[in-house]
Amino acid sequence: EDKVVQSPLSLVVHEGDTVTLNCSYEVTNFRSLLWYKQEKKAPTFLFMLTSSGIEKKSGRLSSILDKKELSSILNITATQTGDSAIYLCAVEAETSYDKVIFGPGTSLSVIP
Amino acid sequence: EPEVTQTPSHQVTQMGQEVILRCVPISNHLYFYWYRQILGQKVEFLVSFYNNEISEKSEIFDDQFSVERPDGSNFTLKIRSTKLEDSAMYFCASSPTGTGSYLNEQFFGPGTRLTVL
Repeated sequence: EDKVVQSPLSLVVHEGDTVTLNCSYEVTNFRSLLWYKQEKKAPTFLFMLTSSGIEKKSGRLSSILDKKELSSILNITATQTGDSAIYLCAVEAETSYDKVIFGPGTSLSVIP
Repeated sequence: EPEVTQTPSHQVTQMGQEVILRCVPISNHLYFYWYRQILGQKVEFLVSFYNNEISEKSEIFDDQFSVERPDGSNFTLKIRSTKLEDSAMYFCASSPTGTGSYLNEQFFGPGTRLTVL
């Protein structure tokens, strides 16, 4: 059964700290890995990763995929209170066409 | 900036009643999805829709669920006879391409909170 696991499930940091969120997966015929940020309601897209070892960057956020370890990390540097959200990892697998499997999410709280 | 819209934002219904959740995807998108998120739990895939038919569905999407694109703009999720455990946030999403494409990015709507009493 396809599975996506995230750790930690919950994290509290102070503003300015750097955080690393982890995602690991077990899927047949991996296609891509996606990171989303979910604040009050709908998830918003952050990154799509398909190739191992290539870092994607957007401002203070960056992410990299390791296909050998079946995992990905999402880094946030110099965290701000506005980074407080649930960060969702999702995986697309070729055996499930047009289906995306989400992990449980990491709840990040950034306190001043 | 174009966005996915959903109505209503919150719906309360009695167990056994039928509900229709409505979504207006982004106009030039071709792929449409429904997800649900039970309070405090993870986002779960329900169904994807392309070219006027279901392209994939999960085990959650049983006979009490159906989807329709009745016209060129709306995409609806119908739950025929609601159960207490159907209470959740339902998200619609659309994308210009299907999964596997490097251009695929699913844009999520704001969600409809369904409460079944």
